[in-house]
Amino acid sequence: QVQLQESGPGLVRPSETLSLTCTVSDFSISSGYYWGWIRQPPGKGLEWIGSIYYSGFTYYSSSLKGRVTLSVDTSKNQFFLKLSPVTAADAAVYYCARSAYSGSYSFYKYWGQGTLVTVSS
Amino acid sequence: QSALTQPPSASGSPGQSVTISCTGSTSDVGGHDYVSWYQQHPGKAPKLMIYEVNKRPSGVPDRFSGSKSGNTASLTVSGLQAEDEADYYCSSYADSNNLLFGGGTKLAVL
Repeated sequence: QVQLQESGPGLVRPSETLSLTCTVSDFSISSGYYWGWIRQPPGKGLEWIGSIYYSGFTYYSSSLKGRVTLSVDTSKNQFFLKLSPVTAADAAVYYCARSAYSGSYSFYKYWGQGTLVTVSS
Repeated sequence: QSALTQPPSASGSPGQSVTISCTGSTSDVGGHDYVSWYQQHPGKAPKLMIYEVNKRPSGVPDRFSGSKSGNTASLTVSGLQAEDEADYYCSSYADSNNLLFGGGTKLAVL
């Protein structure tokens, strides 16, 4: 069973950089599949941020493109999210997830528990 | 690109069927068969219930089914059970390598 765990600062100051790590257990990132980030502002709906293939190929949300960078470290079995600069609108629960199958980043079967990020000075 | 449109709420009694709609455009729902549905209970991560319009991942009861007509996708839950009460989100691949979500529908089991 694939397990994912988000980690990173729970508080980020406006105009600074949000950095999160997703650590994957019981499955090797190098085995393939897409690895994604999805966020959910408190009380609101889901928003796709972007996805990265194990090889490092990336897809980004058109609404966040230019502020988002995804990367992967297969040796540590981790992938990463950087979002900069942040505003109050970026406050959300951030989820990392693995695609349902290796051929598409459109569906996510395995999810982390989510981590709440607050943006405040 | 705008989010997909879902009704904010839906409801049904135990044993009944309920259908939730998800309306997009020819750039997303209508133009691709990469539509999915997620169930989310309060404080929990979303769970994939349907992918590629009408396919169920292993472990998802066959009471959940998906379909699509034109620019609108639908999720039908048959034989409603108390544990089906949750938020449901649709998602679709969209042109220019984008992935869109709907605003979510809160399903109440009366």
